[in-house]
Order: sequence, then structure tokens, then C-alpha cells
Amino acid sequence: GEDVEQSLFLSVREGDSSVINCTYTDSSSTYLYWYKQEPGAGLQLLTYIFSNMDMKQDQRLTVLLNKKDKHLSLRIADTQTGDSAIYFCAERGFQRGGYQKVTFGTGTKLQVIP
Amino acid sequence: DTEVTQTPKHLVMGMTNKKSLKCEQHMGHRAMYWYKQKAKKPPELMFVYSYEKLSINESVPSRFSPECPNSSLLNLHLHALQPEDSALYLCASSQDGTAPQYFGPGTRLTVT
Repeated sequence: GEDVEQSLFLSVREGDSSVINCTYTDSSSTYLYWYKQEPGAGLQLLTYIFSNMDMKQDQRLTVLLNKKDKHLSLRIADTQTGDSAIYFCAERGFQRGGYQKVTFGTGTKLQVIP
Repeated sequence: DTEVTQTPKHLVMGMTNKKSLKCEQHMGHRAMYWYKQKAKKPPELMFVYSYEKLSINESVPSRFSPECPNSSLLNLHLHALQPEDSALYLCASSQDGTAPQYFGPGTRLTVT
């Protein structure tokens, strides 16, 4: 089945860049997503990239996709304390019953040190 | 309006109670989802509704019963739950079954 892996924890200093990595196994992935979850809250869709793109930039966020290695990364420039949260990578893969299953990664907890 | 709302925010119920979780969106999305999320884990898909019809049931026990009264509303009826059902229940919606999903804030459920 599909598998999406992330490192569990990342700690950075305020003002530095953060890079959160994700690997996936489903070669039929069409879209890949990054979600942010703050404590006690739902998931906020941050950005997403189509599988035929290599890079997408959106303000402080840069997504890089290496489809050959099935590796996705999220770079946050000038990381702020408000960026502290759990970040989930997710991939949309095979179709079943008109629905393309979304598989979430294990989540990376980002801690920003002031 | 890009918001998915869920009520209640918190719910404590006994194992013999019957309660319902509610979810609403006014984005014109035609796919709606229920997820269950345990602490420090990713969300797990429970149900998918597409055009108000149940299209996916991920082998969820019958003590969870979803309902989609119209294209904007999604309910999850709960009956005879177990303590291990305590979790954050998230609702999401998307334009259709292939579009990005937008999540609500969740209902924190505790079963005593």
C-alpha cells in the first residue's frame, strides 16, 4: 500500500530557514500537499504541488519535488515562532469509487526557538 | 468563505449515550469527509460523501453512522461508543473527490 514518511521532529532558531522532508512510495501520485496543524486545531492547507512540477513558491514557502526519488520538501524562510506546529505531508494517489485516496505522512513537529 | 465549521468543539459522552457531530461548509463543495485523529498521529479516513452519497466507508464500526442531509451539511451519529473512540474528529470538504481538502477545526470527543 501507500506509505508516506517524515522525520518526527525539527528544531530551528527564529529567523533561520526550516526544511521539512517527506518521502512517499506511490508512483501514481498526482498531487502532493503540505498541511499545518497547531495544537488542538484542525489541519490548514498550506500549499500543494502537481506531480509534473519540480518547484512551487508561495511567499515564505518553497516546495521542491523530486519525482524520481519520490521526495518532497517544504522550506519555510525566515521561520517565526508562529510557525511552530505539526506539518503533515500528504499525497493523492490511486482512484477508487470517484475518490482519489489521500494518504497522510506521520507528521513533523517543528519547534521554533526564539 | 473558505471555512468548514464543526460543532460542538468538545464533547464528553458515556458509553450508553447517543450524540451527533455536525459539520457545515458553504463553499459549494460536493465531497465531504470524516476523519478520526488520535494524539500525535495523522488523520485516518472514516467516510467519504460525494454528491451527498456515501462513496467510501473505511470499515468503520456501525456505532459510527454518517449522514449527509444536503450538500452543505454532514453529520456523524454516535451510539454505544468505547473509550478507545476518544479522539479528535475532523470534517473536511473538497470541490470534488479529486480536489484539495479543506478541514474544519475538529470536535474533541471523550468517551467515559
